[in-house]
Amino acid sequence: TQLLEQSPQFLSIQEGENLTVYCNSSSVFSSLQWYRQEPGEGPVLLVTVVTGGEVKKLKRLTFQFGDARKDSSLHITAAQPGDTGLYLCAGAWTDKLIFGTGTRLQVFP
Amino acid sequence: ETGVTQTPRHLVMGMTNKKSLKCEQHLGHNAMYWYKQSAKKPLELMFVYSLEERVENNSVPSRFSPECPNSSHLFLHLHTLQPEDSALYLCASSQERRNTQYFGPGTRLTVL
Repeated sequence: TQLLEQSPQFLSIQEGENLTVYCNSSSVFSSLQWYRQEPGEGPVLLVTVVTGGEVKKLKRLTFQFGDARKDSSLHITAAQPGDTGLYLCAGAWTDKLIFGTGTRLQVFP
Repeated sequence: ETGVTQTPRHLVMGMTNKKSLKCEQHLGHNAMYWYKQSAKKPLELMFVYSLEERVENNSVPSRFSPECPNSSHLFLHLHTLQPEDSALYLCASSQERRNTQYFGPGTRLTVL
């Protein structure tokens, strides 16, 4: 069974702080996606990274795909309460998309 | 309507009831999924349908019975559920199984 471990599992921070969420596996993925799920809704795609070492930015969010395509990170600069939610990574492996264990982020004003 | 819709959004049922969850996708995708999401647990894949055929069933108890009558619709039939089945049930669709999945808003199920 392929497993994508995310860390930390839970994160509570104050508005304005920076944070990094990690997504790690022993498997190589052809691409990796990040989703955000807000309370009461389904996950929504934020970004897809495809090339090893690729970095993508989405406003205050920076996504990086590891050189070996086994891991990824999501960095949020100056977090805001609107960033609160569950962050899920998902790796494309053979013919499937495997979801990570999730990081629940709470940003307090 | 666009995207993936799920009905009902909330459902409370007794352990002896029979109910069904409905999912509809308006994206022309060929794969559909049922997930269970419990508090403080990872997203659990329950069933996968590809081209209207069930291709994955991840050790889900028989009290959950999926149905995919066509490429746009997916049902989850529930009977004789247990309180521990209370969770958010999410439906998703994608064009091919390795591509981006688009999720519905989920059905919040409470089993009394």
